[in-house]
Amino acid sequence: KQEVTQIPAALSVPEGENLVLNCSFTDSAIYNLQWFRQDPGKGLTSLLLIQSSQREQTSGRLNASLDKSSGRSTLYIAASQPGDSATYLCAVRRDTGGFKTIFGAGTRLFVKA
Amino acid sequence: DAGVIQSPRHEVTEMGQEVTLRCKPISGHDYLFWYRQTMMRGLELLIYFNNNVPIDDSGMPEDRFSAKMPNASFSTLKIQPSEPRDSAVYFCASSTLAGRSDTQYFGPGTRLTVL
Repeated sequence: KQEVTQIPAALSVPEGENLVLNCSFTDSAIYNLQWFRQDPGKGLTSLLLIQSSQREQTSGRLNASLDKSSGRSTLYIAASQPGDSATYLCAVRRDTGGFKTIFGAGTRLFVKA
Repeated sequence: DAGVIQSPRHEVTEMGQEVTLRCKPISGHDYLFWYRQTMMRGLELLIYFNNNVPIDDSGMPEDRFSAKMPNASFSTLKIQPSEPRDSAVYFCASSTLAGRSDTQYFGPGTRLTVL
């Protein structure tokens, strides 16, 4: 059974700091891994999607890496801003059994001005 | 495109009543997902459809829950009868594997409160 764990559960950093959010999964048979952002009371917004054959994806100040063999992904945020404050969730889509998507519990990020 | 549309945005009902949540996916997307989010259990996949056909409903908590997708542009999630423990935010999402993108686009959610 696929389990997705995110560490830390919460993080508070000063503005301008670079930071790393971690995601681990127990079954390496994944189709892809996706990072989302969720603002309070809102839906999820996709940030980056990494296919199982890829090692990383970049979008602006965000960089996501994937190491399938070790069951890990990281989301790197450069030069953090108060507007980055949100909950970040990672989700893995299975490669077998019908492409089921499993979410982690998320990391709540607060960037202080 | 307007994105994934869900209605209603908020629903307050009494225990035992029937609740119907609605979703319109992004045009051209052939996958549709229903999720439930609670503080205790996080985001859980309830069921998903591919080309209007239910593929995996193993996340549906019990027989009180049912979902349909009569056509490519509409899906419903029904709870009958509703119970207080069903209170949660229900999200609908859609995606397509065309071009191997598979990015899931989420709707704004329906906040359900069962009294």
